[in-house]
Amino acid sequence: DQQVKQNSPSLSVQEGRISILNCDYTNSMFDYFLWYKKYPAEGPTFLISISSIKDKNEDGRFTVFLNKSAKHLSLHIVPSQPGDSAVYFCAASAGNYNNNDMRFGAGTRLTVKP
Amino acid sequence: NAGVMQNPRHLVRRRGQEARLRCSPMKGHSHVYWYRQLPEEGLKFMVYLQKENIIDESGMPKERFSAEFPKEGPSILRIQQVVRGDSAAYFCASSPTGDLLYGYTFGSGTRLTVV
Repeated sequence: DQQVKQNSPSLSVQEGRISILNCDYTNSMFDYFLWYKKYPAEGPTFLISISSIKDKNEDGRFTVFLNKSAKHLSLHIVPSQPGDSAVYFCAASAGNYNNNDMRFGAGTRLTVKP
Repeated sequence: NAGVMQNPRHLVRRRGQEARLRCSPMKGHSHVYWYRQLPEEGLKFMVYLQKENIIDESGMPKERFSAEFPKEGPSILRIQQVVRGDSAAYFCASSPTGDLLYGYTFGSGTRLTVV
């Protein structure tokens, strides 16, 4: 059951431009969303999160937008840098902040070209 | 302050052997989670443990898989009688409180290959 979907397996962007990574979910009970970044041969690293009471959360070059009615969230990276090249996973959780059952998408591989 | 340590990084087992994957959480973290990533797929939750207790094992296959987090020592994910379909990357994550607010800290993973 794929409750979290990242439909673009890959994305290529020029350095300095905006990267937009998309994520859709089907479970209306999800109320907390996270983005992780993963480099090859390393574990995922937490990047940014958003709760369902917000529609935007910003941290430096990274902004996550949440559209609850569309069950859609996106991660914007501005400006994109070559070091941002990695696989980005979207994750969602339902219930409360202590819920351990995070569901992950399949990931989007971002390549930022110099 | 070392991060989450997983070993071995790579593990090769023949079909029918046992695989033991170890995870030492970050210092001060008493909550441990195991995830599995199959090729071309996202991370799938397997089990959530606190010291000496299994809190949620709803993602664990019913047979051959077990996990523990003893009072002393690392958490162990054990796979008995491995099959080719067990080949995957296994990631361990830890957190101090189980609170998702700041995400979990993941280890670098163990890549299990069953030949």
